[in-house]
Amino acid sequence: SYVLTQPPSVSVAPGKTARITCGGNNIGSKSVHWYQQKPGQAPVVVIYYEKDRPSGIPERFSGSNSGNTATLTISRVEAGDEADYYCQVWDSSSDHVVFGGGTKLTVL
Amino acid sequence: VQLVESGGDLVQPGGSLRLSCAASGFTFSSYAMNWVRQAPGKGLEWVSAISGSSGGSTYYADSVKGRFTISRDNSKNTLYLQMNSLRAEDTAVYCCAKTSTTLTSPFDYWGQGTLVTVSS
Repeated sequence: SYVLTQPPSVSVAPGKTARITCGGNNIGSKSVHWYQQKPGQAPVVVIYYEKDRPSGIPERFSGSNSGNTATLTISRVEAGDEADYYCQVWDSSSDHVVFGGGTKLTVL
Repeated sequence: VQLVESGGDLVQPGGSLRLSCAASGFTFSSYAMNWVRQAPGKGLEWVSAISGSSGGSTYYADSVKGRFTISRDNSKNTLYLQMNSLRAEDTAVYCCAKTSTTLTSPFDYWGQGTLVTVSS
């Protein structure tokens, strides 16, 4: 089955740039979506189809996808960005939705 | 858009439970729907998906295939998850999630979830 690998944690100082990676075999050929989940809340999509942002999501959030790695980039990180982030794809070979294990973003 | 789950409970191993997800604020029949679970302190795990319209296509995670059944009643705007042969590892908050269009599209709305606890 298809596996998505994320670092368990990423730490960044306020105002700096956070990069959260999502590794998968030839993930560059797949559509990747990213979710933000804060404690006690439902996940919210922050990037879909690799680089599109839903309305209401700040331009500080961006995405890229190539080769075996997709990346969520958060520029000018704020305290309110502290959350768990998950990548997600649809694996057409198995007809399964696959989530990465999640990355806890800590704002120092 | 609103998604409200119900049916979670404490159940013994080997038991059964039926979850419901009442949908409102959108044309329910037009969208693929999913169940996603999250064990306490753990990450998101996709459970099952059903296609839009008649729901003729269903999909399951390997961990639940053969034990869980997803279905939908478009006349009642409700999504279901029938869970049989429950195991301790099925303990989690179960959320329903709407796709923005088809099965491959992102989940644009989520419910708050219902807690299923499997324990003797």
